[in-house]
Amino acid sequence: ETVLTQSPATVSLSPGERATLSCRASQSVSNSLAWYQQKPGQAPRLLIYDASNRATGIPARFSGSGSGTDFTLTISSLEPEDFAVYYCQQRNNWPLTFGGGTKVEIK
Amino acid sequence: EVQLLASGGGLVQPGGSLRLSCAASGFTFSDYSMSWVRQAPGKGLEWVSTLTGGGHSTWYVDSVKGRFTVSRDNSKNTLYLQVNSLRAEDTALYYCAKAIAPTSSYFEDWGQGILVTVSS
Repeated sequence: ETVLTQSPATVSLSPGERATLSCRASQSVSNSLAWYQQKPGQAPRLLIYDASNRATGIPARFSGSGSGTDFTLTISSLEPEDFAVYYCQQRNNWPLTFGGGTKVEIK
Repeated sequence: EVQLLASGGGLVQPGGSLRLSCAASGFTFSDYSMSWVRQAPGKGLEWVSTLTGGGHSTWYVDSVKGRFTVSRDNSKNTLYLQVNSLRAEDTALYYCAKAIAPTSSYFEDWGQGILVTVSS
């Protein structure tokens, strides 16, 4: 099983600041990694797939990078609606796995 | 517009069974792989199972193998998850999810989630 480790678990930032979230895989997943955003009481929302492709309707302030075992989700300038929990997910190996999540909270 | 409407959850005793359903609309259902993802209260996301569009291939997380069965009825645009021999650790919000592309394993559209509570 490919274990995804996200860091930090929680980050406290202010609106307008840059957020950098990390996802590390226990083995290579090539570029087969996605990022999701989840707000309380809502289903997850796909942001990024194949490491760097924005999903339909996702603002340009969200970007993804990385390959192999190390991946990054960057939010260039936090908007109030971006405070949420973010998960990475790999699809390179069965079983599909998610990281434990990073909570982006308001400082 | 893609819509996924899940039903069938509830409170069940340990060892019990339920059948979850997910009614889909807004896309050609038979073309797409569909999956179930669950989230225990206050916890992260856990992939449970995936079924290809034609229903010929399935995958499961180890913890549910032999207890859960995913299926679909493409004539009814409905995805199912039969959950048997339920355990306390199966308590979760269960989401059905549609792939971003027919054979992809990224989840672009999600249902509203259906709560399964396993307790005596």
